[in-house]
Amino acid sequence: GNSVTQMEGPVTLSEEAFLTINCTYTATGYPSLFWYVQYPGEGLQLLLKATKADDKGSNKGFEATYRKETTSFHLEKGSVQVSDSAVYFCALSDSNTGNQFYFGTGTSLTVIP
Amino acid sequence: EPEVTQTPSHQVTQMGQEVILRCVPISNHLYFYWYRQILGQKVEFLVSFYNNEISEKSEIFDDQFSVERPDGSNFTLKIRSTKLEDSAMYFCASKLAGGFSYNEQFFGPGTRLTVL
Repeated sequence: GNSVTQMEGPVTLSEEAFLTINCTYTATGYPSLFWYVQYPGEGLQLLLKATKADDKGSNKGFEATYRKETTSFHLEKGSVQVSDSAVYFCALSDSNTGNQFYFGTGTSLTVIP
Repeated sequence: EPEVTQTPSHQVTQMGQEVILRCVPISNHLYFYWYRQILGQKVEFLVSFYNNEISEKSEIFDDQFSVERPDGSNFTLKIRSTKLEDSAMYFCASKLAGGFSYNEQFFGPGTRLTVL
């Protein structure tokens, strides 16, 4: 079946530190992969996505590369800011229907000045 | 920018009571979803809805749950007789269209349901 395993949190970093949040997946087909972010009091917002192997999604300085050989989609940012403090969710969408999403548990990130 | 809205933000209820969670999807979207997240666990798919009927549902979505689109804007999740284990954050989502190219789902801020 389909599933996502995401790095446990919480993660606390100093401003300008390098961020990696690990995400690996299991899928029966050829999924699309997503990172969603949830800021306090808000909904899940799409951060970036990749729809096929070796694609790199990027947005707001965040990047993630769809690695089929390691079934991974790790989120990275070179220099985090206080405003990046949020909960990050890795997710996959089944290739057959694009219907339901499969999420990881979410990783809470706090960036301190 | 259009967004998905949910009400209430927090609902407290007694075990055995019925609750209705409300969502207003983005206006031109055609696919609607409910997910839930029990504290500390994964966000789990409950149900998808298209063309006024359920298109897919998970094992969690048993006879205690139902969904409805009572008018052109609202999408509701009803839990008939709540149990303690229904305590969770419930997220509504909508999607513009079907097919592989349009598979981004837009999520609401969630309703936190607490069953006492």
